[in-house]
Amino acid sequence: QKEVEQNSGPLSVPEGAIASLNCTYSDRGSQSFFWYRQYSGKSPELIMFIYSNGDKEDGRFTAQLNKASQYVSLLIRDSQPSDSATYLCAVTDSASGGYNKLIFGAGTRLAVHP
Amino acid sequence: GAVVSQHPSWVICKSGTSVKIECRSLDFQATTMFWYRQFPKQSLMLMATSNEGSKATYEQGVEKDKFLINHASLTLSTLTVTSAHPEDSSFYICSAETSGSYEQYFGPGTRLTVT
Repeated sequence: QKEVEQNSGPLSVPEGAIASLNCTYSDRGSQSFFWYRQYSGKSPELIMFIYSNGDKEDGRFTAQLNKASQYVSLLIRDSQPSDSATYLCAVTDSASGGYNKLIFGAGTRLAVHP
Repeated sequence: GAVVSQHPSWVICKSGTSVKIECRSLDFQATTMFWYRQFPKQSLMLMATSNEGSKATYEQGVEKDKFLINHASLTLSTLTVTSAHPEDSSFYICSAETSGSYEQYFGPGTRLTVT
């Protein structure tokens, strides 16, 4: 059973601080890694994706990937109350054939307080 | 671009009836569509994957005779929940991807309540 593990939280950070979200995965063959944000009652929206080891920055967000450790993280700088949501980590299933089947973690709930 | 719509956004039905949910890619051709189910405070669980013109591939534990999926065109896939029961009440979300893209584009979801 392929798994994606996340701390369920809640992770509580003050406004303006850095929020650090972590994810580990079991499928060594996974090639693509995604972070989604999901507000309560809404569907997920893509925040970032990363394919290569190292860091990838996009605005206030930085994704970090370490395939050897099977670890993905998301840093959110200058956290805002509007960032309060559940963050889902997803990785591609290496056995999914010609399409990109995703395996989702259970999500980490982030709460940014003023 | 890359917009996916779902209809209806919410539906209430009586136990034993069937419900059809539509998923459309509005501005791109979706070679593959995915159907997920999400129970409260849980993550997305993939139910099935559909490719245009071929039979859907169901995940282990998902009853294919209960959750009928039809991917009739490159822009439309439907999920029919047959003989719905209260335990089928959930948030159903579709996503779509196009050839050559790693990204799945998610629809807004359909909240199903079976009474």
